[in-house]
Amino acid sequence: NAGVMQNPRHLVRRRGQEARLRCSPMKGHSHVYWYRQLPEEGLKFMVYLQKENIIDESGMPKERFSAEFPKEGPSILRIQQVVRGDSAAYFCASSGTGTSWQYFGPGTRLTVT
Amino acid sequence: AQTVTQSQPEMSVQEAETVTLSCTYDTSESDYYLFWYKQPPSRQMILVIRQEAYKQQNATENRFSVNFQKAAKSFSLKISDSQLGDAAMYFCAYRAVQGGSEKLVFGKGMKLTVNP
Repeated sequence: NAGVMQNPRHLVRRRGQEARLRCSPMKGHSHVYWYRQLPEEGLKFMVYLQKENIIDESGMPKERFSAEFPKEGPSILRIQQVVRGDSAAYFCASSGTGTSWQYFGPGTRLTVT
Repeated sequence: AQTVTQSQPEMSVQEAETVTLSCTYDTSESDYYLFWYKQPPSRQMILVIRQEAYKQQNATENRFSVNFQKAAKSFSLKISDSQLGDAAMYFCAYRAVQGGSEKLVFGKGMKLTVNP
């Protein structure tokens, strides 16, 4: 029973490029969450999605960031025109309906040069 | 808004000894969940233990137990018989039950060192 999968594990982008981070939830889970962890900080919530719906995007920056969780395929966190300040570890978590805890993926470390 | 505070950025413990990690939180909700997550150098977030606010009994998972003081809004983690593999960052987290959003609110974390 595979856990939460994220790819790539490491991503290097130049300023101005686009970054696409992928997350496949645990089998049977329909809730996906994205968190960002800056160096020496805790995780900060970005967005909560269910299949084809954004439930809570209160933590998403208003510009350049978007997320989706299509009916088929992984959830995608997209960052357009990346800047140095976007360098961070991005974690995806998933949960099943009615469960209180979230299982985390290994994270994607984004470096913007 | 809910906040989670971990006031000790670092702690150390001798192998086989007991250590307690502190966490306080602020919320106006009466029902919620609290969690401790461990992040070893691999950076994987691992759920250690969880507590439901409506339950009076403190949660226990093997060597890990919590001291949940609802009135004081305190949620400390006790690690007994510390092992070298316990060395990691530990994050306290809060999740509301009501309101539709299931987001976790994390503290800044605490780095635990285990000395042999």
